Amino acid sequence: DAKTTQPNSMESNEEEPVHLPCNHSTISGTDYIHWYRQLPSQGPEYVIHGLTSNVNNRMASLAIAEDRKSSTLILHRATLRDAAVYYCIPQRTGGFKTIFGAGTRLFVKA
Amino acid sequence: DAGVIQSPRHEVTEMGQEVTLRCKPISGHNSLFWYRQTMMRGLELLIYFNNNVPIDDSGMPEDRFSAKMPNASFSTLKIQPSEPRDSAVYFCASSLGGRVNTGELFFGEGSRLTVL
Repeated sequence: DAKTTQPNSMESNEEEPVHLPCNHSTISGTDYIHWYRQLPSQGPEYVIHGLTSNVNNRMASLAIAEDRKSSTLILHRATLRDAAVYYCIPQRTGGFKTIFGAGTRLFVKA
Repeated sequence: DAGVIQSPRHEVTEMGQEVTLRCKPISGHNSLFWYRQTMMRGLELLIYFNNNVPIDDSGMPEDRFSAKMPNASFSTLKIQPSEPRDSAVYFCASSLGGRVNTGELFFGEGSRLTVL
């Protein structure tokens, strides 16, 4: 399984963009990059995933480096509700093992 | 869609007692996962099933833990006998699975277990 490195914590002001980095230098060519987040007292929830191209959805954008060794989750306007732990996870297509690391705890200030 | 349903939401028991946690996956999902979360160890994958068959139970901590999936709509995680170090939040998740699936997991709200 590919290893990931994420900052332990980050802080943002409300309504400002947030860029959450993830290093996954040992990722294999067929691994998708998944991001999940876990709000306080809840189970993790899927945010976004991608393979090579940048991806956008209603929650966030995912920017993937050309060499795929790193990616950045972008929250365009942070809200207080975005305060959570964000996990970056390389995931093999059709693979069943989703292994969570320590993630990045995002603090959002009003 | 009701999502992944877990019960009980909270369980307090005494050391040595048997604990059974239950999970109903999302209808149509054929992969099911059990995770445990503690402050010290984070989210740990205990076991996962594909089409009701256990695929990998290497994360199950010891023989006191067992998991079953008798049909596509129900799974149990049993701890017998329970110990204080088993205190944690246990999450169940389901996924569409399959060769072309990119593997997004849908989690339940968790079962918080406290063993005294």
